[in-house]
Amino acid sequence: DAGVIQSPRHEVTEMGQEVTLRCKPISGHDYLFWYRQTMMRGLELLIYFNNNVPIDDSGMPEDRFSAKMPNASFSTLKIQPSEPRDSAVYFCASSSLDPAVQETQYFGPGTRLLVL
Amino acid sequence: DAKTTQPPSMDCAEGRAANLPCNHSTISGNEYVYWYRQIHSQGPQYIIHGLKNNETNEMASLIITEDRKSSTLILPHATLRDTAVYYCIVSPSSGNTGKLIFGQGTTLQVKP
Repeated sequence: DAGVIQSPRHEVTEMGQEVTLRCKPISGHDYLFWYRQTMMRGLELLIYFNNNVPIDDSGMPEDRFSAKMPNASFSTLKIQPSEPRDSAVYFCASSSLDPAVQETQYFGPGTRLLVL
Repeated sequence: DAKTTQPPSMDCAEGRAANLPCNHSTISGNEYVYWYRQIHSQGPQYIIHGLKNNETNEMASLIITEDRKSSTLILPHATLRDTAVYYCIVSPSSGNTGKLIFGQGTTLQVKP
């Protein structure tokens, strides 16, 4: 398996622009997580989905952030409009409830976002 | 949620065992201890987890005290590639399906 795939790997944009981050979870995984990592706040959970349904979005910073999971193999995290303080590394992770699968979250390589 | 306390940094000589401590004095009966690590510029990587008993896998060993208030992650023969930030996390039994709350972790520097 290719693991969790994220795109783009790097994104540089200007303040006010819309940014869309993409994630493809590991096939067969039914949980998907979006995390954000900054020097100041460390690694923090933004939102997670189970079977494509958002379960907990309490970590989403504000209305400028939205996340969707239209199907089991794809999720997006959108920032509109973007601000310089959104600059961070955004990680996607997936996991499975299947007891035959190791109980762990598998993380993608991250998207490094810089908002100028 | 239970919180964890880890030293901010540690050094280890290459080839020696690295012992990373973690305090979780408020852990609940149904909470597991998870360890993840993050190598520079990569996503976090699962290492090991346990409830009460000591655990061992191909990467590391996890020693949990009898009162479960603390644990130690052991990398038996540290290599330069083990240099990373190590996170100790306590989470309910379905840690793979719920929130993982990452603290600041321990930065392990393996030196030649």
